[in-house]
Amino acid sequence: DIQMTQSPSSVSASVGDRVTITCRASQDISRWLAWYQQKPGQAPKLLIYPASTLQRGVPSRFSGSGSGTDFTLTISSLQPEDFATYYCQQANGFRYTFGQGTKLEIK
Amino acid sequence: EVQLVESGGALVQPGGSLRLSCAASGFTVSGHHMIWVRQAPGKGLDWVSVIYGGANTNYGDSVKGRFTISRDRSKNTLYLQMNSLRPEDTAVYYCARRGIAADDWFDRWGQGTLVIVSS
Repeated sequence: DIQMTQSPSSVSASVGDRVTITCRASQDISRWLAWYQQKPGQAPKLLIYPASTLQRGVPSRFSGSGSGTDFTLTISSLQPEDFATYYCQQANGFRYTFGQGTKLEIK
Repeated sequence: EVQLVESGGALVQPGGSLRLSCAASGFTVSGHHMIWVRQAPGKGLDWVSVIYGGANTNYGDSVKGRFTISRDRSKNTLYLQMNSLRPEDTAVYYCARRGIAADDWFDRWGQGTLVIVSS
């Protein structure tokens, strides 16, 4: 299976900060990558797919970029409701592996 | 309204079997790629299985040969048959639906059902 590596594993930031999370695939996945947000006790919520399209209802402070093996999720100005864990997921050959997650904590 | 409701989670002994269900409303499961994803306590998301097209399936390496995904058009329900369960299968299991456009992704998720494998 394709391995997805996210960095950092955790990050502390303040409201208003700009934060970037990266996801690297072990092989070329073109643009077939999505980003999810998950809060404790809740199901994952789709934010961005594939690579850069914002899901309906997701605030425009979220953005995604990348192709091939390297992808980024950027939150331009953190809001209190953004503190959560973020996951990338790839979709190559009908196999949908996830990155290990990035926990975004309040500084 | 699109909704997914998982059920069937329970406490089961190692080596036992369990069948999870994911009842759909607001759309037909047979018309969408559907996946199962699990999350062990305090851990990340782990893709388990997918069903797509007619009855094409794929499985994660850790469950291949033990788990079987299927769907029932008449009941509009997705299933996950889990055999030879191990303690490491303990997790919340989620089902999710992929949209029908070529670029769509898994935009609807259930609330999850808890499976505990322990003696």
